[in-house]
Amino acid sequence: QSVLTQSPSASGTPGQTVTISCSGSSSNIGSNIVNWYQQLPGSAPTLLIYNYNQRPSGVSDRISASKSGTSASLAISGLQSEDEAEYYCASWDDSLNGWVFGEGTKLTVL
Amino acid sequence: QVRLQESGPGLVKPLQTLSLSCSVSGASVNRGNNYWTWIRQPVGKGLEWIGRIYTSGSTNYNPSLKSRVTMSVDMSKNQFSLKLASVTAADTAIYYCARDNYECDRSNCYPRHDYWGQGTLVTVSS
Repeated sequence: QSVLTQSPSASGTPGQTVTISCSGSSSNIGSNIVNWYQQLPGSAPTLLIYNYNQRPSGVSDRISASKSGTSASLAISGLQSEDEAEYYCASWDDSLNGWVFGEGTKLTVL
Repeated sequence: QVRLQESGPGLVKPLQTLSLSCSVSGASVNRGNNYWTWIRQPVGKGLEWIGRIYTSGSTNYNPSLKSRVTMSVDMSKNQFSLKLASVTAADTAIYYCARDNYECDRSNCYPRHDYWGQGTLVTVSS
C-alpha cells in the first residue's frame, strides 16, 4: 500500500482538461516538494513536473501542477490521445527518510 | 545526454541474492549533486523506491527492504550496483536505475529523478 494516495483512473475526451490528485501527509507532501512522472505503456517513467510546478525542457505547457497542504494535483489541458498513460506523484518522506510514490493513475483518452 | 542502462540476470532462485548493475554515460557517478537510485515495479503495479547511494558512499534505503539491500558505486566503471538478498516471488519486478538530481539555487534544492534506465525484468523462481 502506497504512502501517497491517487485515484486509480481518470478519463477525458480530446480537448478537455483532466486533473489527477495525490494525497499525502505532513511528513511528505506537507513539507517537501512533489514531482510527477508519466509512464507510457511498456516504457520507463519520465519526469513530467518537479518542484511542484516546474516542467523539464520538452514537456508541453499543457501540463501544470499545484500543491495545497498535504495534497497535490496535476492538470492536463487540451487533452490528446498521446496523453494516455499512467501518472505517478512522488515526494520525499521525512519519517521514512526516503522517496514515496503514489499508486498511479491510469489516464484514458476517450 | 545522460543514459542509464541496467544489466544482470533476469532469473534468480528463491533465497538467493539478486544482483544488478547500472552503467552511466553522459555523467559521472562521482560528480554533481546526484544520488544514484534503484526503483522497482511489479508487473502491472506501481513504483517502489528501493534506495539510493551518493558519491561518498552514503546510502538511504527503503525501511521495508533495508535489512536485505546493499548498494555500491564503482567509479572506475562509472556504474552503481544493487544487491537484494534472500529474494522471494514478491521481489519479482521490473528494476529501474535512475538519477536523483538535486538542482539548487541560493535558498533551496529541488530533487527529482530526471534520468531513468529502460528497466530490466527480474523474475524470482526455482
